[in-house]
Amino acid sequence: QLQLQESGPGLVKPSETLSLTCTVSGASISTTNYHWGWIRQPPGKGLAWIGSIYYSGSTYYNPSLKSRVTISVDTSKNQFSLKLSSVTAADTAVYYCARLDRNTAMVSADYWGRGTLVTVSS
Amino acid sequence: QSALTQPASVSGSPGQSITISCTGTSSDIGGYNYVSWYQQHPGKAPKLMIYDVSYRPSGVSNRFSGSKSGNTASLTISGLQAEDEADYYCSSFSSSGTGVFGTGTKVTVL
Repeated sequence: QLQLQESGPGLVKPSETLSLTCTVSGASISTTNYHWGWIRQPPGKGLAWIGSIYYSGSTYYNPSLKSRVTISVDTSKNQFSLKLSSVTAADTAVYYCARLDRNTAMVSADYWGRGTLVTVSS
Repeated sequence: QSALTQPASVSGSPGQSITISCTGTSSDIGGYNYVSWYQQHPGKAPKLMIYDVSYRPSGVSNRFSGSKSGNTASLTISGLQAEDEADYYCSSFSSSGTGVFGTGTKVTVL
């Protein structure tokens, strides 16, 4: 059974870089039909796409975050990672990692991690 | 890249049918047949209910159906059950090259 698990600091200081890793188990991240993505949800608010990556390293980023986001993949560890720089309180959110179907333009996420809350505060 | 517009809340009695709308533009919903719907219970990760406008993933009840007309997509839940009470989000591919979510709809079973 495919499982995704987010990990990383739950507290980040303003202006610093948020770093999260998603570990995939039960399937190889080097599969041709899927992208691997990050989605976030501020407390009490809606979902927002951050971006996604293919195992080859090609990426797609939300234009509103593109200047601050880097998503990378480590196929040897079956992991992909998110870095978000220059964070502010507005970046406080639950961050989810998910598997995205390439055949649906990466809009359908069929497997999700449980999510991890990242708070930006000094 | 603005969020797609959904009603804040929709309610219905058990056994009834409800429909949630999701309005976008020709740059997202109207331009592509890549619309998905997600169900999210409190404190849980979203669950994919519909993809490619009207297709259900394996295991999703056939009480859930999707459609699209022009720049508006819709999710219909028939035979409403208590377990359907949750937040629902639509999502569409957009011309920016990534997805865009809707504002979310809280479904209440009366």
